[in-house]
Amino acid sequence: SAVISQKPSRDICQRGTSLTIQCQVDSQVTMMFWYRQQPGQSLTLIATANQGSEATYESGFVIDKFPISRPNLTFSTLTVSNMSPEDSSIYLCSVEVDSGTQYFGPGTRLLVL
Amino acid sequence: RKEVEQDPGPFNVPEGATVAFNCTYSNSASQSFFWYRQDCRKEPKLLMSVYSSGNEDGRFTAQLNRASQYISLLIRDSKLSDSATYLCVVTFNTGRRALTFGSGTRLQVQP
Repeated sequence: SAVISQKPSRDICQRGTSLTIQCQVDSQVTMMFWYRQQPGQSLTLIATANQGSEATYESGFVIDKFPISRPNLTFSTLTVSNMSPEDSSIYLCSVEVDSGTQYFGPGTRLLVL
Repeated sequence: RKEVEQDPGPFNVPEGATVAFNCTYSNSASQSFFWYRQDCRKEPKLLMSVYSSGNEDGRFTAQLNRASQYISLLIRDSKLSDSATYLCVVTFNTGRRALTFGSGTRLQVQP
């Protein structure tokens, strides 16, 4: 498995502002992902964070709204830009350790007022 | 139609009961299958992978039926600590290695 940390663990933000979430893993991993879990719902993939190249976004998610950085094999950031109350959610990063097996960070709980 | 479908429950069972969850997936080219467990306000945690031959881990048994595109999880001798949401998770053979989650089945084990 892997030990994954996320910062911040929670935040309350004003609409129109941006928040950057950090994800740190204790070992080098090739695949890192960002997911969103809206209240009462299951997880939805936002994007795959690719090291050394642009992230791969899922349908319905765009780089201008959710810019992602992946400067090395242990770290990634997700920014939620120009936030609105609809962005209130839990944001989780995950890493693939063994083929197909993913482990999740503790999540960042975001409330946008 | 959702790619991964689960009965949302809740399943309310007494301690010691046996409970089974089912999950169906829509893409026959699905590659890997998992059950994750998510406690309230926590991240999902891997419970077990699901193999074609079926596999068991203590009180938990997972089965995969590729022909019917169906996955199951059986929990025997339920404990209070088994209360959680159980997520059926699939990866599709599209070169994309991200997980696709079912909506989850909530289990409440009662004393």
